[in-house]
Amino acid sequence: GQNIDQPTEMTATEGAIVQINCTYQTSGFNGLFWYQQHAGEAPTFLSYNVLDGLEEKGRFSSFLSRSKGYSYLLLKELQMKDSASYLCAVMDSNYQLIWGAGTKLIIKP
Amino acid sequence: GAVVSQHPSRVICKSGTSVKIECRSLDFQATTMFWYRQFPKQSLMLMATSNEGSKATYEQGVEKDKFLINHASLTLSTLTVTSAHPEDSSFYICSARAGGFQETQYFGPGTRLLVL
Repeated sequence: GQNIDQPTEMTATEGAIVQINCTYQTSGFNGLFWYQQHAGEAPTFLSYNVLDGLEEKGRFSSFLSRSKGYSYLLLKELQMKDSASYLCAVMDSNYQLIWGAGTKLIIKP
Repeated sequence: GAVVSQHPSRVICKSGTSVKIECRSLDFQATTMFWYRQFPKQSLMLMATSNEGSKATYEQGVEKDKFLINHASLTLSTLTVTSAHPEDSSFYICSARAGGFQETQYFGPGTRLLVL
């Protein structure tokens, strides 16, 4: 079966750095997406990785290792507004998005 | 760019009525649109995929006669929840993809449906 694993919840301090991990087992791979979802709102696109390595976009970076079936989202200089759920999604060989359950990130002052 | 709108944002209706939700891509042509449902504190659940001008492809367990999807143009898809019941109360979110399969999906703001 297809599976995406990410921690259910993480807590971090304002100004700090946090890394949210995602491991996947899917039938084929056509890219990995990270989305941010604030409570009561729809997801917003953060990043897309299809090749191994690190993609940096401001305070957010996303890393991919296809051989390990592993990705992480790195958030630097955390702000209170970063409190949200972070969803990892993998596009499989049929170009279907397989969604993780999301990681709820709590930022404390 | 890549803005997707949804209307209405919130709807309350009586059991047995039908509710139509519109999803529009405002600044791009969406060859494919997706409809998701999300219950509180749960992950997104894909309901169906629709391509412009063709019938929607429904996920297993989703009743196509209950959740009618029409993708009449490259910028508009509609989801109609027919004969809604309280268990249909949920957060319905559409997303749109511009081009090929690897194009990013951009989400609408969602529609919160409450069936009394």
